[in-house]
Amino acid sequence: EVQLVESGGGLVQPGGSLRLSCAASGFTFSSYWMSWVRQAPGKGLEWVANIKQDGSEKYYVDSVKGRFTISRDNAKNSLYLQMNSLRAEDTAVYYCAARHCSSTSCSSPWFDPWGQGTLVTVSS
Amino acid sequence: QSVLTQPPSVSGAPGQRVTISCTGSSSNIGAGYDVHWYQQLPGTAPKLLIYGNSNRPSGVPDRFSGSKSGTSASLAITGLQAEDEADYYCQSYDSSLSASGVFGGGTKLTVL
Repeated sequence: EVQLVESGGGLVQPGGSLRLSCAASGFTFSSYWMSWVRQAPGKGLEWVANIKQDGSEKYYVDSVKGRFTISRDNAKNSLYLQMNSLRAEDTAVYYCAARHCSSTSCSSPWFDPWGQGTLVTVSS
Repeated sequence: QSVLTQPPSVSGAPGQRVTISCTGSSSNIGAGYDVHWYQQLPGTAPKLLIYGNSNRPSGVPDRFSGSKSGTSASLAITGLQAEDEADYYCQSYDSSLSASGVFGGGTKLTVL
């Protein structure tokens, strides 16, 4: 069964740090770009970060650049998100997801599967 | 404010057909970028419903279909069932943004 399981969420004070993990199983993790997508309470979805199969390329949404770092360990089939200098507006459920491209282009990738998510709450 | 606009809510009776629109612009859907759709049941993670404008992953019923024309895309659900009550999100790419993917604001489908 293809599965992604996130962990590491919790309550943290503004300015604090948190490290999220995502354990993959049931598919060849090392063959896929991986992503983090977040959803603030009662709000829509927002792409956060991408990482290439070998970790050599990483991309971030502007609002987290310089504060968040995406990484992976293919030997452990795991994806990570190190979040520093957290702000109240980072409060959200964070999902990890595998990124897919069509056979002809990767200009508009899609995300599948998704993990169940882990809640990060930034509050004093 | 997303660059992809969806109606906040739609509704329909069991057995009916409903459509959810996703309106973009010349820098995203109108530029030819593919549109994808996700279903998010209450309290669960999003699930891929349609990819590449009109393709269904295995396991997704053929009651769900997607289309794209010009600067808009649509998700159609026929034979509406109670278990279809969920939030639906469209997703594409926008060349004016430094983001790997952009999502619509989401549409809440209520089955009457």
